[in-house]
Amino acid sequence: DQQVKQNSPSLSVQEGRISILNCDYTNSMFDYFLWYKKYPAEGPTFLISISSIKDKNEDGRFTVFLNKSAKHLSLHIVPSQPGDSAVYFCAASATLTGGGNKLTFGTGTQLKVEL
Amino acid sequence: DSGVTQTPKHLITATGQRVTLRCSPRSGDLSVYWYQQSLDQGLQFLIQYYNGEERAKGNILERFSAQQFPDLHSELNLSSLELGDSALYFCASSGGTASYNSPLHFGNGTRLTVT
Repeated sequence: DQQVKQNSPSLSVQEGRISILNCDYTNSMFDYFLWYKKYPAEGPTFLISISSIKDKNEDGRFTVFLNKSAKHLSLHIVPSQPGDSAVYFCAASATLTGGGNKLTFGTGTQLKVEL
Repeated sequence: DSGVTQTPKHLITATGQRVTLRCSPRSGDLSVYWYQQSLDQGLQFLIQYYNGEERAKGNILERFSAQQFPDLHSELNLSSLELGDSALYFCASSGGTASYNSPLHFGNGTRLTVT
């Protein structure tokens, strides 16, 4: 049961343009969402997050949008740079009884930014 | 550098064997998480510890066990290994509390190959 889905395994964008990575989720209990970036041979690196009480969060070139009614979030990267080429993972979490912080990850989207 | 240290980086072993993966969290972080990433899969949550106690459990097999020690480092023990256990195993840490809505910071993983 894939509760967090990234339906595009890959995306290719030209340098300077906008990259839009999409993510859908099915669990309505999720209320915190994150994006991670992963380079080969390294662990995932936290990029940006958003709480379900917001619909947008911005940090420099990165903006995450959340549409709760559609259970959809997206990551916009503007402008895209060659160094942004990596695998991007969407993740979500819900409050667990007794505490805890279990992140559920999507399968990732490989972004390639071309010169 | 996330500050999370995992050893060893690579491990090759035979079916039926037992291995131990080690993780040192970021300074000040009390929560440790273990994730498994198999080929072409997203990161699957295994287990979370907070200050020595198990806090959340995911899809962890009975052949696998973990613990967090008083100095906050954690070990993941994998026994009766099967070919399908070959994967990248990531450790992450967070917070300074068991705080929910706290980004996880990942180590660079241990690549386990079972032959």
